Amino acid sequence: DQQVKQNSPSLSVQEGRISILNCDYTNSMFDYFLWYKKYPAEGPTFLISISSIKDKNEDGRFTVFLNKSAKHLSLHIVPSQPGDSAVYFCAASDPRRSQGNLIFGKGTKLSVKP
Amino acid sequence: DTAVSQTPKYLVTQMGNDKSIKCEQNLGHDTMYWYKQDSKKFLKIMFSYNNKELIINETVPNRFSPKSPDKAHLNLHINSLELGDSAVYFCASSQGTTGSGETQYFGPGTRLLVL
Repeated sequence: DQQVKQNSPSLSVQEGRISILNCDYTNSMFDYFLWYKKYPAEGPTFLISISSIKDKNEDGRFTVFLNKSAKHLSLHIVPSQPGDSAVYFCAASDPRRSQGNLIFGKGTKLSVKP
Repeated sequence: DTAVSQTPKYLVTQMGNDKSIKCEQNLGHDTMYWYKQDSKKFLKIMFSYNNKELIINETVPNRFSPKSPDKAHLNLHINSLELGDSAVYFCASSQGTTGSGETQYFGPGTRLLVL
């Protein structure tokens, strides 16, 4: 069963506009969420995270919003740049599981067009 | 100055062979992981080691055996390779040993193809 879902396999936006990537989860025990960015033939790179005690975390052009009641988080990138084109993975951590192994979504491929 | 490194980057081998993938982290982290990304692109945890001790062993065939000679290394040995083992294997590490709030840093991946 998929506990972390990214329902949009791909997203295309124009350079300079906002990119919004969405992620839904089913397990209300998740208490830490992360976004990773992955270029082809490379490993996932950590981008930004948010604890369940917050509803927003911002780092430069990247903002993550968490809506616990809806079990939904989103990553906003503004303004989008061509170098942001990559696959973005949402991941969640369950504190009941030892050592914090992450549960990943399937990823959303973002294409930013110049 | 690579943080998490894996070798080899590509591995092509025949069914039935035994192979190893090496992972090293120079971040001084206590915990290391192996993930498998299958053809459906899901990243799934296989093993987690903390200070050379096995912590997590998800439902993985016992043909897969992780070995941690020291805190900075976690190698993955695979016996009797099968076609279904073809995937990308990622090593990762994190600082802490607690269940959550820890960011994991990933290696570049090893692309295994079993013929």
